[in-house]
Amino acid sequence: EDQVTQSPEALRLQEGESSSLNCSYTVSGLRGLFWYRQDPGKGPEFLFTLYSAGEEKEKERLKATLTKKESFLHITAPKPEDSATYLCAVQARGNNRLAFGKGNQVVVIP
Amino acid sequence: EPEVTQTPSHQVTQMGQEVILRCVPISNHLYFYWYRQILGQKVEFLVSFYNNEISEKSEIFDDQFSVERPDGSNFTLKIRSTKLEDSAMYFCASSWGEQYFGPGTRLTVT
Repeated sequence: EDQVTQSPEALRLQEGESSSLNCSYTVSGLRGLFWYRQDPGKGPEFLFTLYSAGEEKEKERLKATLTKKESFLHITAPKPEDSATYLCAVQARGNNRLAFGKGNQVVVIP
Repeated sequence: EPEVTQTPSHQVTQMGQEVILRCVPISNHLYFYWYRQILGQKVEFLVSFYNNEISEKSEIFDDQFSVERPDGSNFTLKIRSTKLEDSAMYFCASSWGEQYFGPGTRLTVT
């Protein structure tokens, strides 16, 4: 069974204080690893897809990286509007389903 | 920008009643999905649908659940006889690559 573990569960940052979120995974053949952002009461919003170890993707203050066992989402100089829960999900080869972790809840304090 | 839409945003029903949740996927997407998220828990896969048939389903998706694409634009999830434990946010997603999620329907079973 595909498993995704995210740490830390919750994180409070001062505005401008960079940090990293971790996503550890086990999957029977990785097809893709996905990062989503979820605001309270809303649906997951797609951020990145990573397909192979060593790959990196960037969008504004966010950068996602991938190794064979984990992925990191780096938040550089965060702003209050970056406050959200960040979800990591994996998709195994031959499947379309996404297996999600519990998320990293990030609060950025002005 | 195209987006997945869902109706209603909130549905309250009594235990044992049937509910139908509706989704309009992004128009050029070919794969459709339902996920659910119980309050405070992970997003969980229910079912995927491709070429007018179910392509994958999880253990949660038992005989009480069914999906249908009644016309060229809508995708529905029916729960035949709701239970208290069916209370959750239900998300529709569609893909042609990455999965894009709708805003969700909050289902409350009393």
